[in-house]
Amino acid sequence: DTGVSQNPRHKITKRGQNVTFRCDPISEHNRLYWYRQTLGQGPEFLTYFQNEAQLEKSRLLSDRFSAERPKGSFSTLEIQRTEQGDSAMYLCASSPGTGFYQPQHFGDGTRLSIL
Amino acid sequence: AQTVTQSQPEMSVQEAETVTLSCTYDTSENNYYLFWYKQPPSRQMILVIRQEAYKQQNATENRFSVNFQKAAKSFSLKISDSQLGDTAMYFCAFLPGSGNTGKLIFGQGTTLQVKP
Repeated sequence: DTGVSQNPRHKITKRGQNVTFRCDPISEHNRLYWYRQTLGQGPEFLTYFQNEAQLEKSRLLSDRFSAERPKGSFSTLEIQRTEQGDSAMYLCASSPGTGFYQPQHFGDGTRLSIL
Repeated sequence: AQTVTQSQPEMSVQEAETVTLSCTYDTSENNYYLFWYKQPPSRQMILVIRQEAYKQQNATENRFSVNFQKAAKSFSLKISDSQLGDTAMYFCAFLPGSGNTGKLIFGQGTTLQVKP
């Protein structure tokens, strides 16, 4: 169990640029989640995968956001035409497929700063 | 819609003392799960303790215990014998029993500082 890995740890970009984050879940965890956390707040759910299928998306996930998990292993979250309001910590979590109620294991997050 | 409220933005406690963090939630569901997560400064969030709503017995994990009051929709976390390493932001989280998605709903968090 090497834990959930997220890259990069920090991303600084100019408004209007595209960014992509990667998440490697714990091996054999078939559930993968993305959350967004702004400073001083709790994480907010963005989207959820079971294996390669994206099963739920929050209305927070505008059409500038897209997430994939092509082979049911790692996942990517892309933000197009970034805006100031996208500045946040993006957290990835994974859990076993033995039940949706199993505790989620979180990565260190990717902190996005928009200049 | 389900909501989670943590009414204490910041708390402090002396090392070795006991502290209780409050959490209330709003739901119309009867079956659900509750969690406390700990997020140390610049480090990843880790699970502290969890409670299934259908269980009347309060969960305990070493120095951490909860007071689950289902009728009052309250889920407080008690930390006994506080240690410096307990300094962190603590989040209460709610997981609906329906939907099968694992979508956690978090509170705003309580920053706990343990003082030597």
